[in-house]
Amino acid sequence: GENVEQHPSTLSVQEGDSAVIKCTYSDSASNYFPWYKQELGKGPQLIIDIRSNVGEKKDQRIAVTLNKTAKHFSLHITETQPEDSAVYFCAESLFSGGYNKLIFGAGTRLAVHP
Amino acid sequence: KAGVTQTPRYLIKTRGQQVTLSCSPISGHRSVSWYQQTPGQGLQFLFEYFSETQRNKGNFPGRFSGRQFSNSRSEMNVSTLELGDSALYLCASSLTGTGAREWTEAFFGQGTRLTVV
Repeated sequence: GENVEQHPSTLSVQEGDSAVIKCTYSDSASNYFPWYKQELGKGPQLIIDIRSNVGEKKDQRIAVTLNKTAKHFSLHITETQPEDSAVYFCAESLFSGGYNKLIFGAGTRLAVHP
Repeated sequence: KAGVTQTPRYLIKTRGQQVTLSCSPISGHRSVSWYQQTPGQGLQFLFEYFSETQRNKGNFPGRFSGRQFSNSRSEMNVSTLELGDSALYLCASSLTGTGAREWTEAFFGQGTRLTVV
């Protein structure tokens, strides 16, 4: 089925703490998993992505891990800052009918408090 | 390098009217996908255009249509507007989009906020 479950729906942390957002997907053939950050009044911005042949990818304070066996992938933000406050979306690339399309999770609203 | 540009940013329409939204992709990108974003349903895929052809379609009624021009700019049209069509409409551009098993990154515009009254 076409479904990506994302948890938690809201997350509140203190500045400097770490934040973890988890997603579970259903299609074992999915091979691309991007994460988007959406600030108020803006479109989603691609912040990191991972392909199915890689277990972990890091970019400064952001990392993504992928467990294909369990069909889980997670976003890790370390040393959070107030400007990290936004809604984060995970997605999977689902191959259907000969084409890919992105299926998004419901989003996580992250609030980083100074 | 300019990003994805969507116009207009805001629209207010009356039930029964129709509306056309525009999206200019990143230069060199040939794929444009459209999404509807609402608080209740999240980001829902509408359709994708590549080289002026609709290549992929989501589960939306026929009132939602689109097209793509030879310069890759795309328009989306919604006819006979309903209150439930109020949403943020986003377009995303990518080099190859959905046509390959190896996905290329999709970049979103700021969106058009449509309000139907």
